[in-house]
This record gives sequence, C-alpha cells and structure tokens, in this order.
Amino acid sequence: DAGITQSPRHKVTETGTPVTLRCHQTENHRYMYWYRQDPGHGLRLIHYSYGVKDTDKGEVSDGYSVSRSKTEDFLLTLESATSSQTSVYFCAISDSVWNYGYTFGSGTRLTVV
Amino acid sequence: QQQVKQSPQSLIVQKGGISIINCAYENTAFDYFPWYQQFPGKGPALLIAIRPDVSEKKEGRFTISFNKSAKQFSLHIMDSQPGDSATYFCAASMSSGTYKYIFGTGTRLKVLA
Repeated sequence: DAGITQSPRHKVTETGTPVTLRCHQTENHRYMYWYRQDPGHGLRLIHYSYGVKDTDKGEVSDGYSVSRSKTEDFLLTLESATSSQTSVYFCAISDSVWNYGYTFGSGTRLTVV
Repeated sequence: QQQVKQSPQSLIVQKGGISIINCAYENTAFDYFPWYQQFPGKGPALLIAIRPDVSEKKEGRFTISFNKSAKQFSLHIMDSQPGDSATYFCAASMSSGTYKYIFGTGTRLKVLA
C-alpha cells in the first residue's frame, strides 16, 4: 500500500526466538498501530503509538513489545515467540486531523514452529 | 462493552443480489463506524464510514444504515458483483483520543457469477 511498508512479508521462526517486525511510513502520520488477524477473531489491537516514544497497550499485548524512535518507523517485537503468535500481522497508520480512516500495510505472515 | 459483534460469518449471494452484513456495539461513546474490505493477501482498505449524526450514507453501490437507538449498523451492497467477493470488517471508534478501532470478526462474502 502506498505510504506504508511492512517487512518482512513472510517469516518462519522457531519457538523461543525473538522476532522483530517493521512498519515504515512515508505519510508523516502521528498514529501507528499493530494488529494481528486470526480466523474467527478478526483484527485485534496489539499496541499503538500516538507519537515518537509514545506507545500504549492494546487488547492482546502480552508477549509483545513495541518501539517508535522515529515518526516513520514502528517496530513490533515478539520477545520469545510461541506457536500461539502464529498469525498475520498488520500495521496501520492514521492522520487524526484530516482523516479518521486507517491505512493498512500489506501484512506480515509469521509462522512459529 | 468494547466488543463489536458482526454477523453473518460468511455469506453467499448471487450476482446482482443484495449483500447485507450487520454489526452491533455496546459502548455508546463510539462515534465513528467504518467498514473495511479485504482481498486475499492484502491489507484491509477503508470502504465507507458513518458518524452517528446521520442514519444512512451511500457511496455508489455501498450503503451504511445506522440505528443509534438499537446500537446497530449494517452494510448493504446493492447489485453485488463477483469482484465484491472479499472479507468485510466493521469497526467502531471514538473520534477523541487515540483513534483506536475495535473491529468485528469479519464476514467472508462470495458473490456467485
């Protein structure tokens, strides 16, 4: 999607290893979000950021941490990956002033074996 | 109180028919209700959104109907086309604060040619 890039697109990792997913935006939007998508659960918020170094937990934050040292980058870290964290992870950005809608990235498919 | 309940889970419609997806919420502080469309392998994309000061919003073949007293809203797709086959998510948010969305669990729509 224009203006927002997620990397990697696919990753397979072993249980117990740390994993970092990256979200990069070129829109200079203030708000950034990490969601996970699982069948039957829809999209669930993991963490979000409302500015550089300003982050907060979502509804499924256990086992995840985030960092935002620059406006354009929002990193999601699985501290010690578990099989229950196998999912598709989406990053989203929002400009609160002009547009309440989210723009989503293309997602990262993570498999923990 | 933070949940958004979406139904049905899946829907099959003939080409030219009307597709109807329903959502219900509990938190009366929600004041922004978007619908997202997601194609396989892609991130969700904003389709249409409504604020509770209107009961209906129409954009092309897509209409949101909103019932504030019942705390329900629905997406109607008129003259459904095979290209509309996708997963649809409703969501709810408060326009103040951090613009977090609470998503429904999704509806997989298939339009038969």
